[in-house]
This record gives sequence, C-alpha cells and structure tokens, in this order.
Amino acid sequence: DVKVTQSSRYLVKRTGEKVFLECVQDMDHENMFWYRQDPGLGLRLIYFSYDVKMKEKGDIPEGYSVSREKKERFSLILESASTNQTSMYLCASTPDNRRAEAFFGQGTRLTVV
Amino acid sequence: SQQGEEDPQALSIQEGENATMNCSYKTSINNLQWYRQNSGRGLVHLILIRSNEREKHSGRLRVTLDTSKKSSSLLITASRAADTASYFCATDGKAAGNKLTFGGGTRVLVKP
Repeated sequence: DVKVTQSSRYLVKRTGEKVFLECVQDMDHENMFWYRQDPGLGLRLIYFSYDVKMKEKGDIPEGYSVSREKKERFSLILESASTNQTSMYLCASTPDNRRAEAFFGQGTRLTVV
Repeated sequence: SQQGEEDPQALSIQEGENATMNCSYKTSINNLQWYRQNSGRGLVHLILIRSNEREKHSGRLRVTLDTSKKSSSLLITASRAADTASYFCATDGKAAGNKLTFGGGTRVLVKP
C-alpha cells in the first residue's frame, strides 16, 4: 500500500517562527502536493512539484515556500508564521502525469499563536 | 479558485437511506474524482470517472458525469453510520494546469 506520512499530527507555533512541515511518500511518486483546508473553503492548493528540485505555485502560495531535494520528500515552509496560517495542512502524491488518484497523508493541524 | 463546487453543503439521513450529492465544475476536465474524509483525517480516494464515461459503480457507490452540464453526482446506497464523513469532488484538466482541484465538500451525517 502507498503510504504518505506527514511528520506531525498537531503543531503549535508562535507568530514569527519559521515552520517546517515534512511529507514523505514511499511509492516513488513523481508528483507531490501541499494543500490547506479551512472550514467552508475546501482544499486549496499551496504548492506542487512534478520532479525533484522542481516546484510550481498553486492558488495560495503567499507566505509559503517548498523544498524537494529528494523524490520521496516534499517540505512546506512557513517563512514567518502568522495567525492566519492556522489551518489543517494536507500533503498528497500521485504516481505520474496521467492524473491518477491522489494519496493523502493524515494531515497536520497547525495552530499559530 | 475552486473548480468543483459540491451541493448540498451538508446532508443528514437515516441509516439505510440513500445519500446523493452533486458537484459542478467550470472548465473542461480530463477526470473527475470523489474522495471521502473522516473527521480530522486525510482524504481517501473513492472513485475516478473519466471525461468520456457517463456512469461508474463501485460497491454501494454510483457516480454519474454529465460533461454537457459540467456536473457529477455521487450516490451512496443503503447508507451506514460508517459513511458519516465529508465528501469531496476533485477535477483535473488543461485549464487547471493538470493540478487536482477540490471543491468545498459535502458533510454527510448518517444517523443510526
């Protein structure tokens, strides 16, 4: 079974801190995605990556950056956390550009205080 | 911007009844998928329907796709308490740059 693992289920950080959310997948998937989920807004795409060292902005990239140094790992970085970044963050991966189903991690609920 | 929009936003039914939810989208798609999310967890893939398909079944799930109306429906037959979850449609297509774009979801409560 494909497994997508996010490093933390719950995280509490202070305003202004630099925050790293890690995501690892074990099935050699080319594509990886970071979404945030907020009540009433569904899932919104922050960044995605189709290959190592490659990244593309999603719909709401402001305040975030990403890193993909290895194929299996996709990191989301909050350069200076703010309270409006309190949210559920979901990582996903897909096998290739044939647009198959996405496999999701369990989510990280981040609270910025 | 959200490509898919689910309707209704919330649904409450008795165990054994059918649950139907709809998804509308704006631009041409390659595929449409439905996902389930249990409270506070990640999403789990349920079913994928391609743009040249009109109907698909998987167990108690039935999905239809009407590309002329840019809409899809998900039917869960003989619902169970374990079906209580949020359900999301997701689309991909050239206009979205091959990204997978999700709607706001339908929250389904199945009462025992």
